[in-house]
This record gives sequence, structure tokens and C-alpha cells, in this order.
Amino acid sequence: GDSVTQMEGPVTLSEEAFLTINCTYTATGYPSLFWYVQYPGEGLQLLLKATKADDKGSNKGFEATYRKETTSFHLEKGSVQVSDSAVYFCALRVNTGFQKLVFGTGTRLLVSP
Amino acid sequence: NAGVTQTPKFQVLKTGQSMTLQCAQDMNHEYMSWYRQDPGMGLRLIHYSVGAGITDQGEVPNGYNVSRSTTEDFPLRLLSAAPSQTSVYFCASSYKELNTEAFFGQGTRLTVV
Repeated sequence: GDSVTQMEGPVTLSEEAFLTINCTYTATGYPSLFWYVQYPGEGLQLLLKATKADDKGSNKGFEATYRKETTSFHLEKGSVQVSDSAVYFCALRVNTGFQKLVFGTGTRLLVSP
Repeated sequence: NAGVTQTPKFQVLKTGQSMTLQCAQDMNHEYMSWYRQDPGMGLRLIHYSVGAGITDQGEVPNGYNVSRSTTEDFPLRLLSAAPSQTSVYFCASSYKELNTEAFFGQGTRLTVV
């Protein structure tokens, strides 16, 4: 079945460090890929998305590229801030029927000043 | 623009009690769904609806009921609460078109004692 695997956390970085959170997926067909972010005590917010191979999603300095050949969608940011501390979820959306979202387990990012 | 509204934010139940988690959206989305979030497991789909009057089961439906009498509302009923249902519950909604994002409520933290 469809699944998403992302690196376990927590990821602990100093401010201005480079961030990579790995995400790989298994899916039948051609899913859309998403990164959601969850700040403490809040719901999930869409961070970025990509809907087809080689698309790059970007938002707030974060980027991720849909790599069909490696079935990956790694999240990167060149210089993290304390305010980026949150839990990041990689997800795929199957493009059939209900188009359900399948989530990874989430990666907690902690950024210190 | 309220988006997806969930109530209550917090709830403590005794084993065997029943309750309803409320979810409402004001974006005229066709699709609505309920997820539960547990540590180390990401979000798992409980039930979903593709339109008023139509519901179906997700990955973990046991112990939960849903109904969708209007486009806006999608309540989740716990029939007889069990400690295993202690979790954070999220409601989500989206348009039915492909590649669209899902919008999430702020969550309900439920503890069953």
C-alpha cells in the first residue's frame, strides 16, 4: 500500500544552520506530495506542495523537489530560525477516489539561538 | 474566514462514556475527514466523507461513528470511550479537485481515563 517514511527526530540545530529532513514514499500511480508543519498546540498547516515529477515546492525559505526516480521529497532550508521549531510532516495524496492523505510519522525540529 | 473549526479543544472522558467531537467548515469543501494523531504514528484516517449523505471508513474506524447531513458539518461520535482512544483528533476538509490541499482544524485533545 501507499506509505511515507521520514527521518526520525528530533533534529536539533543552531540558528542559521542548514536543514534537511528526508522523506521517501511508496505509492501506486502518481501522487501529489506535501509538507505540513505543526506548531505547538496548533493544527497542521500546509508548508509546500508539488504535484508532479521534478516540480519544486517552496514557501518561507523551505524547498522540496518531487523526485520520481528516487521516490523522495526531501525538505530543505538554507538558514533556519528559532521560529521554525515545529513538527514537520511529509504526506502524499493519492489521486484516485477520495484522494486520502497518507502521512509520515513527523519530524520534530528544535532550533536554538 | 473561520476555515475548519473543531470543538471542544480539550476533553476528559471516563471509560464507557460517549461524546461527539464537532467539526465545521465554511469553505464549501466537498471532502471532509477525521484523523487521529498518536506519538510515533503520524496521522491515521478514521472516517471520511465525499459529500453530504456519503461517508466511509478509513484505516482505524472501530469505535467511531460519523454522519454528514450538511456540507458544512462532520461530527465524530465516540460510542463507548476506551483508554485506547486517548489521542489528538483532527478534522480536515478539501475540494474534490485533484492536487488540492487539505485544511485542518486546531485539534481536540481527548483523554479517556
